[in-house]
Amino acid sequence: QKEVEQNSGPLSVPEGAIASLNCTYSDRGSQSFFWYRQYSGKSPELIMSIYSNGDKEDGRFTAQLNKASQYVSLLIRDSQPSDSATYLCAVNVGRALTFGSGTRLQVQP
Amino acid sequence: NAGVMQNPRHLVRRRGQEARLRCSPMKGHSHVYWYRQLPEEGLKFMVYLQKENIIDESGMPKERFSAEFPKEGPSILRIQQVVRGDSAAYFCASSKRGADYEQYFGPGTRLTVT
Repeated sequence: QKEVEQNSGPLSVPEGAIASLNCTYSDRGSQSFFWYRQYSGKSPELIMSIYSNGDKEDGRFTAQLNKASQYVSLLIRDSQPSDSATYLCAVNVGRALTFGSGTRLQVQP
Repeated sequence: NAGVMQNPRHLVRRRGQEARLRCSPMKGHSHVYWYRQLPEEGLKFMVYLQKENIIDESGMPKERFSAEFPKEGPSILRIQQVVRGDSAAYFCASSKRGADYEQYFGPGTRLTVT
């Protein structure tokens, strides 16, 4: 069983819509959760971190964490074509970060 | 503020040569991580270092790969006797504290083995 799972997509949404990205993890001891955005051929860029249950909002981004269900999500409001990228969920497993394989988001103009 | 710096950005090596990849962490960061991303695959953890200490190398291949983070200078990921399967993007990340804290990535080194 993969430690961090994401739907590979592509997830296609129209411009201005809400994009919802999901992630599940297997290690109940994980305490830190991150979302990274990676454009093709570029390095991952940290966009959100969340450490406790509930919601955390930053601009158009909202991260949601439910430790009981071992579930993390990222909502992107008012999606823009520039949001088209691969979104990586990362979870600390012991001393390292374990990444999901990423969800490719396409925002259609 | 300078971000994480990596060099070279692109590296071409023939099979059997050595590859040396360098990483300087962000200012104020003392923890360095190396990840590898194979074509069309996800990021895989390789090694976690602090100055003069390897904290976790559970993701490093057993042979040909080594890493260091000396007291002075950048962290080095060294690959001896490269093979075609080593062709990948190698990313370095740094953080202020351990893996439970935010990690910021450098631009990566794209290694091509011919």
